[in-house]
Amino acid sequence: DAGVIQSPRHEVTEMGQEVTLRCKPISGHNSLFWYRQTMMRGLELLIYFNNNVPIDDSGMPEDRFSAKMPNASFSTLKIQPSEPRDSAVYFCASLSLGQGEGYTFGSGTRLTVV
Amino acid sequence: SQQGEEDPQALSIQEGENATMNCSYKTSINNLQWYRQNSGRGLVHLILIRSNEREKHSGRLRVTLDTSKKSSSLLITASRAADTASYFCATDDSGYALNFGKGTSLLVTP
Repeated sequence: DAGVIQSPRHEVTEMGQEVTLRCKPISGHNSLFWYRQTMMRGLELLIYFNNNVPIDDSGMPEDRFSAKMPNASFSTLKIQPSEPRDSAVYFCASLSLGQGEGYTFGSGTRLTVV
Repeated sequence: SQQGEEDPQALSIQEGENATMNCSYKTSINNLQWYRQNSGRGLVHLILIRSNEREKHSGRLRVTLDTSKKSSSLLITASRAADTASYFCATDDSGYALNFGKGTSLLVTP
């Protein structure tokens, strides 16, 4: 298995532009998580899906952020419009809930909004 | 929200020495996990310890959990330069999503 695949690895965009981050979880994993990592705030949970259904989006900072999981093998996190304070590393992680194992993280997308 | 808090924030040791990192948390948990993050990479799961376990081993890693003190420790024995990374504890208190601490930055010098 190639693990959790995120794209792009790096994204530089201008303030006000729409940004879409993509994630392919591990096949067979039924839970997917989006986290954001910054030096100041550490790792923050943004949203959690179970069986493609959003369960908890209380961590999504504001309405500019949205996430979808149209099928078991793909999820997107969209920021529209983007702002400089959105600059961070965004991680996707997947898990087979009930297996008692840890998360498998992707390599992350480093987003810079200028 | 963050629950786990690692101590120390940074640790520098020489190869061959043991490294101990601590984690404290606030509320009851189902399990506690430790992750490693190399610079510029994603987090890698190291070990999971359930709330009814007190100690667990995996290779050179030893994890303890004291639920009465709401604390855990990660011991890396005979450290190597390749162990240089940030180490995070994460608590599962909801049954699904993990809450991560801010991590301990470990530097192992040859």
